[in-house]
Amino acid sequence: QLQLVQSGAEVKKPGASVKVSCKASADTFSSYDVNWVRQATGQGLEWMGWVNPKTGNTGYARKFQGRVSITRNTSISTAYMELSSLRSDDTAVYYCARDYYDSGSYRFDPWGQGTLVTVSS
Amino acid sequence: DIQMTQSPSSLSASVGDRVTITCRASQSITRNLNWYQQKPGKAPKLLIYAASSLQSGVPSRFSGSGSGTDFTLIISRLQPEDSATYYCQQSFSSPWTFGQGTKVEIK
Repeated sequence: QLQLVQSGAEVKKPGASVKVSCKASADTFSSYDVNWVRQATGQGLEWMGWVNPKTGNTGYARKFQGRVSITRNTSISTAYMELSSLRSDDTAVYYCARDYYDSGSYRFDPWGQGTLVTVSS
Repeated sequence: DIQMTQSPSSLSASVGDRVTITCRASQSITRNLNWYQQKPGKAPKLLIYAASSLQSGVPSRFSGSGSGTDFTLIISRLQPEDSATYYCQQSFSSPWTFGQGTKVEIK
């Protein structure tokens, strides 16, 4: 059973960058895209982008293009999400999730436990 | 981008009640609709995929239906552990988008 384990909480100043990791527990890491979704306190879920672990191809939500970079290191089954030029409204819990696909259907399963990123001066 | 609209935003129901949550897409997404449950301080958990397929391990009191633009999540007999926020998500076209969530409380 695949598990995704994320790095710990971060506190950053406005204008800085943050890099969050997501390590997969199983050999199936390269078989499916890894997505990143964030959630501000008390708010809903916001999709940010994806990486294909096998090819390194990526896709980003328009809102984050130019400010987000999603990468992977297949040798350690880990995906990364780096967000730059941080603002206070980037304060949120950031989740990684596998984009599982079969029978013509995509869905996010499983999810990492989440990483709280706080942006404060 | 495809907009997903859930209703209601919140509801309060008693144990044993039948609960219905609806999700509407701004354009047809065929049956590419997933439902997630999120409890406070926890990551979302997949309940239903492809509109009506129950994820392994999810209790059978949860069911989903719909196609095109209109979808429904039903909890047939509400249990105390079902207190959570529920989100729909379309997987028809990128960018993947979520509904705003429905908070279910137990009376």
